Amino acid sequence: GAGVSQSPRYKVAKRGQDVALRCDPISGHVSLFWYQQALGQGPEFLTYFQNEAQLDKSGLPSDRFFAERPEGSVSTLKIQRTQQEDSAVYLCASSLEQGSYYEQYFGPGTRLTVT
Amino acid sequence: AQTVTQSQPEMSVQEAETVTLSCTYDTSESDYYLFWYKQPPSRQMILVIRQEAYKQQNATENRFSVNFQKAAKSFSLKISDSQLGDAAMYFCAYGGDSGAGSYQLTFGKGTKLSVIP
Repeated sequence: GAGVSQSPRYKVAKRGQDVALRCDPISGHVSLFWYQQALGQGPEFLTYFQNEAQLDKSGLPSDRFFAERPEGSVSTLKIQRTQQEDSAVYLCASSLEQGSYYEQYFGPGTRLTVT
Repeated sequence: AQTVTQSQPEMSVQEAETVTLSCTYDTSESDYYLFWYKQPPSRQMILVIRQEAYKQQNATENRFSVNFQKAAKSFSLKISDSQLGDAAMYFCAYGGDSGAGSYQLTFGKGTKLSVIP
């Protein structure tokens, strides 16, 4: 079966450019998470959706980061006016339901490099 | 806020031997879950094993088992009969109600495991 997919897998952006990262969760999964993983670190939470509702965006580092999931399936993470500190792997994860019990399935990530 | 600490940045083990990866966490909650995730080089993160905090029995999954000490807030992973395919980054993660409506995972910094043939 299809897992979580993300595109593009690699993105190089010049400082100041806007980028959009896409996540296709597993079909039927209610919960969707975005994490940021800096080099040599563990993933850090950015934001959470339950269906189309963004219930938690407390991890977004600045107002340059924006995420949406308009139809409750595909999600897009947008970063405006990229900065070098935005360079990281952005991971998307989905789970069947809300709650810690439910396993989060991770995508392969998008590696963003800001030059 | 919850924190997860993995004090071993790197570990190595001989093939077929046993290795234990350490993890400690801090929380004020009584109901939560703990996870070990494996991230092979350039590959997706996958769940290795999960432990419910309310269960006293340690979780096991084939060659993988945990030693969960709730009072000590310790959650170590034991890999028996290590195989070359076990080489990866291993992340300990805490899952609980964030209080903001989500159940995001809080990860440690990871332990890089090398398996020596």
